[in-house]
Formats: sequence, structure tokens, C-alpha cells
Amino acid sequence: DTEVTQTPKHLVMGMTNKKSLKCEQHMGHRAMYWYKQKAKKPPELMFVYSYEKLSINESVPSRFSPECPNSSLLNLHLHALQPEDSALYLCASSQELLASLYEQYFGPGTRLTVT
Amino acid sequence: SQKIEQNSEALNIQEGKTATLTCNYTNYSPAYLQWYRQDPGRGPVFLLLIRENEKEKRKERLKVTFDTTLKQSLFHITASQPADSATYLCALDSDNYGQNFVFGPGTRLSVLP
Repeated sequence: DTEVTQTPKHLVMGMTNKKSLKCEQHMGHRAMYWYKQKAKKPPELMFVYSYEKLSINESVPSRFSPECPNSSLLNLHLHALQPEDSALYLCASSQELLASLYEQYFGPGTRLTVT
Repeated sequence: SQKIEQNSEALNIQEGKTATLTCNYTNYSPAYLQWYRQDPGRGPVFLLLIRENEKEKRKERLKVTFDTTLKQSLFHITASQPADSATYLCALDSDNYGQNFVFGPGTRLSVLP
């Protein structure tokens, strides 16, 4: 099974809502990532987890809060978002952090719209 | 400042021809480069990885080269097909510790029948 799954596929939320994005992989990968992708732009790294510990936080606003409850699951908690946060949110995983050896597997993404 | 550039935002070629995509980087010293394909509304899919000590890597109709002197990687698709139409992204790890993955802006390839 080489699949990364993400739920929901689409999410519309108001600026005062709290919601969560979920990501799951069963490949035994120990590194997991959140990316944000705006239209016609490349993915931008937000967070990196390695062995369930937060490794990278790319100066992301605190209204985005990641969580890695176990090695297979990754959540992104959203609160008080702004309309400019509307984007495709991609989850990815790799066997380890060493990207010189291991490629990343991406999920299909969650299309988020903030109204 | 650090920058990754891909030769053009969009590239149109005729079916059967070879598509050549370019990835240039500035103020990075990557130990490797990765290439991904992304279809609209989908996540990127890994294609090839090339390390700094490798001049060339091949996989079926795909070939990638890596020139650390020119700070450039070339990605070739031979005998291109309409199904190859997609956005192609190069990517590198900005600190070589496997944590700070950065993508180029991508080239949208259209293979015309």
C-alpha cells in the first residue's frame, strides 16, 4: 500500500470556525509533512514531523496547529483562518527525513476555502 | 538570495518529440535533486532522484541530468505522449539535512497530438 489519504477532500469554513484536516499513511514511514499550495504555485513546506516529533515549522502563523498522534496519522488544526489561507493543503510522507535517499509520497490534498 | 527557476512556465511540444525541461538554482548547494509530476487538483508524484555524484539517471522514457558546475538539472521525456501533459516540478533540500524541501515553480507541459 503506497497511498497517503487525506480527509476531507473539500472544506469550506468561516473565519471564526475551528476545523481539522487529517492525513494517514500505512507505509511505515517515519517522516510526515504538511504543504500549502496556492493556484499556479508550487507546494510550500509548512511543517515536518520526524518520528512523531515536530522537526520543522516554517514560520507558519499560529492559527495553523499541527499534531502527530502516532506514526501513521497527521492532523492540521485550523482556527480563525483568513480568506488568503484558502489553498490546497497537501500531506506527504517519506521513509525517513533523508531526502537524498527517500522520495516523498503525496496525498490528493484538501481543497480549503475560507469565507 | 536563494532561487529555483524552471525554464518556462509552459511548454508545448508535438507528440513523439523529446521534451526538455530545465531547472536552475542559485545560492543552493544541493546534494541531490528530485523531479515530480503534478496533475491538476492532485498531489505531486515522484519521478526521479539524481545525486550530485551522478551525471545522468534514466527511467523508461525519462532521463535527468545534474550539472553542479552549471547549477542546473535537465529533465527529458522522449517519445512524448499526450498523457505526459502535466506540470513538472524540480525540488531540492535547501539544507541537505532532509528537512527543508523546496520546489521550483514548475513547467506546465502540453503534448499536442
